[in-house]
Amino acid sequence: DVKVTQSSRYLVKRTGEKVFLECVQDMDHENMFWYRQDPGLGLRLIYFSYDVKMKEKGDIPEGYSVSREKKERFSLILESASTNQTSMYLCASHRLAGRNEQFFGPGTRLTVL
Amino acid sequence: KNEVEQSPQNLTAQEGEFITINCSYSVGISALHWLQQHPGGGIVSLFMLSSGKKKHGRLIATINIQEKHSSLHITASHPRDSAVYICAVRINNDMRFGAGTRLTVKP
Repeated sequence: DVKVTQSSRYLVKRTGEKVFLECVQDMDHENMFWYRQDPGLGLRLIYFSYDVKMKEKGDIPEGYSVSREKKERFSLILESASTNQTSMYLCASHRLAGRNEQFFGPGTRLTVL
Repeated sequence: KNEVEQSPQNLTAQEGEFITINCSYSVGISALHWLQQHPGGGIVSLFMLSSGKKKHGRLIATINIQEKHSSLHITASHPRDSAVYICAVRINNDMRFGAGTRLTVKP
């Protein structure tokens, strides 16, 4: 059974804190993605990675960074959390080649106070 | 303008009704996905299409590549179908998402 897991379902942090969101997939997928989802805006891509130690900016990378030290793990980092980063964060993965299905994690609902 | 447009934004139906959700896109794609998101956030993939039609239980998805349009149909809708349905298109290694259609099916 394929699986994408995220470290937390719910997270509450204070403004200025450093926040780590972890995502792990067990399908040996090359591509991994971090999205945020806000009402009325749909899913927006923050960063993606197509290989270990590789990363590409998505549509809204400002205020975020990522780390991919191992193929199965893709971390999203908020260096100094702000209230406008309160959102639902979703991780996803899929194989590099072909028309492959994208698999999503359960999401992390982050609240920044 | 969003590359992926969905309609309607919200949809309320009575149990048993036939439901259609539409998706239009403006760019060349390699595949189109229909996703379902239940309250609580988890997203599951319903269909991945590159041509024609697919059916799974009461769900049917169609795509017209020439018209850049796809539809998701739910037959004999049930309250457990209540969810947000998201259309997403695959462009090379990138995915673009519609804003979603919130479906509520009332008993």
